[in-house]
Amino acid sequence: KNEVEQSPQNLTAQEGEFITINCSYSVGISALHWLQQHPGGGIVSLFMLSSGKKKHGRLIATINIQEKHSSLHITASHPRDSAVYICALHFSTDKLIFGTGTRLQVFP
Amino acid sequence: DSGVTQTPKHLITATGQRVTLRCSPRSGDLSVYWYQQSLDQGLQFLIQYYNGEERAKGNILERFSAQQFPDLHSELNLSSLELGDSALYFCASSVGLAPLGELFFGEGSRLTVL
Repeated sequence: KNEVEQSPQNLTAQEGEFITINCSYSVGISALHWLQQHPGGGIVSLFMLSSGKKKHGRLIATINIQEKHSSLHITASHPRDSAVYICALHFSTDKLIFGTGTRLQVFP
Repeated sequence: DSGVTQTPKHLITATGQRVTLRCSPRSGDLSVYWYQQSLDQGLQFLIQYYNGEERAKGNILERFSAQQFPDLHSELNLSSLELGDSALYFCASSVGLAPLGELFFGEGSRLTVL
């Protein structure tokens, strides 16, 4: 069984829609990262969470430590949000394990 | 611009060869992480250094080695290259250790082994 599962694998949306990407894990962690990877390959760190909720512009990330679950929400989605979104588990040893990613396409 | 610099951006070499990838972390960041992203494996954590010392190890092959120098830049050495080593190699830096450090990624080094 994988230690981290992301869903959905692929997601298409119309511009303006509210989007949710989920990340479930089965092990104890120190923190969870949400990363964005654009078609050119570059990776940007969106959030690092160890508890609660964070918001940055139209992006919101939440984590429930007890349920071992995190969500990334995008409000008022835009075509420039099209990318692969990856959650990564960060352990106290500093080891990281990555999810397989969610490929999001937002159409105008 | 994340402030993390990776060189070279692209590298084409032959099987059996050895290459060195370089990463300069953001100013003030003590941690450097190396990752491999291949088409069939996704992102894999290779190794992490903190202030010059190895801190955590992931799925790094014995043919690969890394080090972090006193000026905090890091190098990833890949030897006896195989076709399957073709991948994007990313480094990231953070100011400290988990869970304090947000990760800042370089643009990656694309290695093609022919």
